[in-house]
Amino acid sequence: SSELTQDPAVSVALGQIVSITCQGDSLISNYASWYQQKPGQAPTLIIYATNRRPSGIPDRFSGSTSGNTASLTISGAQAEDEADYYCNSRDTSGDFLELFGGGTRLTVL
Amino acid sequence: QVQVVESGGGLVKPGGSLRLSCTASGFTFIDYYMTWIRQAPGKGPEWVAYISNNDLYIKYADSVKGRFTISRDNAKNSVFLEMNSLRAEDTGVYYCARYYNILNGYQGGPDYWGQGTLVTVSA
Repeated sequence: SSELTQDPAVSVALGQIVSITCQGDSLISNYASWYQQKPGQAPTLIIYATNRRPSGIPDRFSGSTSGNTASLTISGAQAEDEADYYCNSRDTSGDFLELFGGGTRLTVL
Repeated sequence: QVQVVESGGGLVKPGGSLRLSCTASGFTFIDYYMTWIRQAPGKGPEWVAYISNNDLYIKYADSVKGRFTISRDNAKNSVFLEMNSLRAEDTGVYYCARYYNILNGYQGGPDYWGQGTLVTVSA
């Protein structure tokens, strides 16, 4: 098994750029996905296959990876982007089990 | 549009059982793997289990293996989660989600999630 590690909290000034990172060995060889969750709602997929956006997701959201670290970047953070963000990947066991990071709470100042 | 709706949650005593149901619409159900994910209060999501489009591949998280059973009925566009020997740590919101399309292959985590059903395990 393996783990995905995220910073618990990140803040950004309105309109500025911010990156949220996720670390884990599984990210070296597996796709990363990112989810946004607002209070009382189910998570929403905002990035899949490491850097692809589902239809309807604003293009200010982008994804990338480098080694064992995946990043979600918000270019020009908006007030409505204040939420919890979770990364996701498959584990390294070969059993194709899914992992989620512990989440990052984004505050837009 | 794609919709996933869960039902069957509730309050159950430790050691008890519960069966969750999920009905999907708006897509070709038989082309997709489906999955259950749970979220304890104040915590992040925890993957529980997934099932392939044709029932041939089923995987469980270690935390539920031997106690939970995932199944599906393609004729009714439904997926189920039978939960036995429930523990306090199984408490949380249980989400059913569309996993991946067998035609496109795996491209990451589940894309459409339901709104969830709350399971509370308490004496």
